[in-house]
Amino acid sequence: DIVVTQSPLSLTVTPGEPASISCRSSQSLLHKNGDNYLSWFLQKPGQSPQLLIYLGSTRLSVVPDRFSGSGSGTDFTLKISRVEAEDVGIYYCMQALQTPITFGQGTRLEIK
Amino acid sequence: EVQLVESGGVVVQPGGSLRLSCAASGFTFDDYAMHWVRQVPGKGLEWVSLINWDGDSTYYADSVRGRFTISRDNSKNSLYLQMNNLRPEDSALYYCAKDIDDYFGSGNYMDVWGKGTTVTVSS
Repeated sequence: DIVVTQSPLSLTVTPGEPASISCRSSQSLLHKNGDNYLSWFLQKPGQSPQLLIYLGSTRLSVVPDRFSGSGSGTDFTLKISRVEAEDVGIYYCMQALQTPITFGQGTRLEIK
Repeated sequence: EVQLVESGGVVVQPGGSLRLSCAASGFTFDDYAMHWVRQVPGKGLEWVSLINWDGDSTYYADSVRGRFTISRDNSKNSLYLQMNNLRPEDSALYYCAKDIDDYFGSGNYMDVWGKGTTVTVSS
């Protein structure tokens, strides 16, 4: 199974400051078609997860452009350029190169 | 509006069986693969199972393979999860989620999630 490891597991950020979350996989998530099969989700308190980023770096159209995804192979990063209060929650990365599909442990973002 | 509504979660004894349902609306159900994902309260997300658009291919987490069966009825826009030989560690909130594509292997991810249904396995 592909193991996906996130860091840090928790993050406290001042509004307006940047935030960065790392996601590392035990195997390369780069498909032969050139796409990285890595997604990012945010689960806000009391809500279901919502998709933010797919194929490593493609932002869903409704997601604010302060969110960006980068990386390839085994190392990926989710960046928030300027954190806002509504960004609190738990962020998960997920690999879908192979089954079983696996999620990272989650990174809890709190506002200072 | 695209919507997924799960149902069927109850309290069941260890060793018991249960069938979860997910009613889909607002999109062409048989164009997409579907997932079940579960979450123990206060814990992370665990992928459980995936079914291709036509039901011919199914995939499972090791923790449920041989005990759970995913299925779908495209005529009813519905997804199911038959859960047998339930264990206390199966207790969780079970989410139904829509995939972006119709089969596994194309860069899958879930773009729509339901609110979940709670399964509790306890004597």
